[in-house]
Amino acid sequence: AQSVTQPDIHITVSEGASLELRCNYSYGATPYLFWYVQSPGQGLQLLLKYFSGDTLVQGIKGFEAEFKRSQSSFNLRKPSVHWSDAAEYFCAVGAQGGGNKLTFGTGTQLKVEL
Amino acid sequence: DTEVTQTPKHLVMGMTNKKSLKCEQHMGHRAMYWYKQKAKKPPELMFVYSYEKLSINESVPSRFSPECPNSSLLNLHLHALQPEDSALYLCASSQDPVGGETQYFGPGTRLLVL
Repeated sequence: AQSVTQPDIHITVSEGASLELRCNYSYGATPYLFWYVQSPGQGLQLLLKYFSGDTLVQGIKGFEAEFKRSQSSFNLRKPSVHWSDAAEYFCAVGAQGGGNKLTFGTGTQLKVEL
Repeated sequence: DTEVTQTPKHLVMGMTNKKSLKCEQHMGHRAMYWYKQKAKKPPELMFVYSYEKLSINESVPSRFSPECPNSSLLNLHLHALQPEDSALYLCASSQDPVGGETQYFGPGTRLLVL
């Protein structure tokens, strides 16, 4: 069975500082990996996804993520955080089979200090 | 246009009421999903519809009854709910019901059961 671990429940960074959110996955084959962001009371917005190929993936809003098979990780990064980035971030793994089931991590709440 | 709409935004219902949540997408997507999200938790998959047929039911209680009247619409009929069913209900859609397809989420319906 697939699973995702986000070790950091809360992270606080200063505006303009760099950011890295950790994500570790467990899946028997090459996974489909996603990062979503959720603002309070809102739905989820896709930031980026990894299927195959280049292990460094670029997303929207200046985010990027790197797939490291040897570490079973898919960490999200941003070089300079903006106050509007404060939100909940979810890493998710998708199965290769039918149904397109996503398994989400528990999320990381990002707070940005001005 | 990658918009999924959900109505109503908020819903308060008693345990004896019958109500319905509605989800709509006009992207030509052939897979639609219902998720339940409790506060401070990740979304949990409830149902998947593939080509207007129910393909996955994650052992959801029968007081939740999904319906897909056509390829653009997804309903969730609610009856005899419990207070613990209070949550944010998210709808999503994807081009196809296969692994790796991006799921686009609606803003959700916040449900309170009294």
